[in-house]
Amino acid sequence: RKEVEQDPGPFNVPEGATVAFNCTYSNSASQSFFWYRQDCRKEPKLLMSVYSSGNEDGRFTAQLNRASQYISLLIRDSKLSDSATYLCVVTPPYSGAGSYQLTFGKGTKLSVIP
Amino acid sequence: EAQVTQNPRYLITVTGKKLTVTCSQNMNHEYMSWYRQDPGLGLRQIYYSMNVEVTDKGDVPEGYKVSRKEKRNFPLILESPSPNQTSLYFCASSKDRGEKLFFGSGTQLSVL
Repeated sequence: RKEVEQDPGPFNVPEGATVAFNCTYSNSASQSFFWYRQDCRKEPKLLMSVYSSGNEDGRFTAQLNRASQYISLLIRDSKLSDSATYLCVVTPPYSGAGSYQLTFGKGTKLSVIP
Repeated sequence: EAQVTQNPRYLITVTGKKLTVTCSQNMNHEYMSWYRQDPGLGLRQIYYSMNVEVTDKGDVPEGYKVSRKEKRNFPLILESPSPNQTSLYFCASSKDRGEKLFFGSGTQLSVL
């Protein structure tokens, strides 16, 4: 099982739709989780941190399921401007060597269609 | 303005000609790292640094060197570039592990 896996998509959805992405991780002791957004050939930018209790920011909701080892991102009322690639990032547990090595998912591409 | 400055933005070179990509952050961050991004492979970590003079290998360190002599700077060195190092490179920094990453604008490197 790969360390961090995402469905590459593309997800093609109409404006106004609700879309959800998942990201599974293999290390059950992973500590921190994030969603980043990346526009084509631009630098990734933080979209949301993912907290154990789940968190919401406007149309975006992130959740963590430790039992099943995945995080999710829900986008409601999709806008054209949401078209991008969404990357999940997982931080390993702190255990000395290697614990500063972050793992990125390969990203899920979203296209919102008029 | 808090930022990570990465230069150059574009670089075309030939096989074997040593090059350095610079990365500087003005946020007093402890953690800095380098990534390469290739189609279908996503972002892969090359090297990272937890603090001055402390660096470690990421997933794909072969053919690269780094140094962290000052907290703000973390250059990526290709001693003898090869065509398989043609890629889009990003530098990033964060306050500590597990914190938000700030990325530079990227360097598109082509090795002919």
